[in-house]
Amino acid sequence: DAKTTQPTSMDCAEGRAANLPCNHSTISGNEYVYWYRQIHSQGPQYIIHGLKNNETNEMASLIITEDRKSSTLILPHATLRDTAVYYCIVRVDTPPGANSKLTFGKGITLSVRP
Amino acid sequence: AAGVIQSPRHLIKEKRETATLKCYPIPRHDTVYWYQQGPGQDPQFLISFYEKMQSDKGSIPDRFSAQQFSDYHSELNMSSLELGDSALYFCASSLTQGVPSGANVLTFGAGSRLTVL
Repeated sequence: DAKTTQPTSMDCAEGRAANLPCNHSTISGNEYVYWYRQIHSQGPQYIIHGLKNNETNEMASLIITEDRKSSTLILPHATLRDTAVYYCIVRVDTPPGANSKLTFGKGITLSVRP
Repeated sequence: AAGVIQSPRHLIKEKRETATLKCYPIPRHDTVYWYQQGPGQDPQFLISFYEKMQSDKGSIPDRFSAQQFSDYHSELNMSSLELGDSALYFCASSLTQGVPSGANVLTFGAGSRLTVL
């Protein structure tokens, strides 16, 4: 799987949008961008994923650049409960079985302040 | 909605003892993954099973073994425990067969915290 690069940490004010960047310059055409988060010692939680197009769900939006070399996860109205480590993961989707694991990198620690 | 169930949630063992962690995937999910997360570390992939067969292997020590049973639950067996095995162990499951590419999302359990004294 291609590697990703994320800043170590960032913070934002409660109620404001949090924009989390991720670089994945070596991404291949059949690799998806996934975002997971981990709130202190809990199991990683799926947020969103995409291939080429921008995606939005009830949790967040994912903006992928046209060349697919970078993406941004947007939490539109951050709350204190959004404080977590956010992982940007590039993953080949080739069912069944092999190579469908997620490989976690360092992630970015988002701190939402009151 | 049903989630991934892991047991026990906490386990304390002595060095050189054996521990077994259990994982019950979301109903109908056919793939199980095990991850280890040491203190201050990121989750590291250990092993996965698809339809009860090992499908991928990561940095799993030889002292560890795992299997997936006919009811799709999985067990991670750890022998000759070392202090360095103290960690959070996460299980995740996904539905792989017949799922469109890109929809194979892993759902994680709450984890089992192993402490080796």
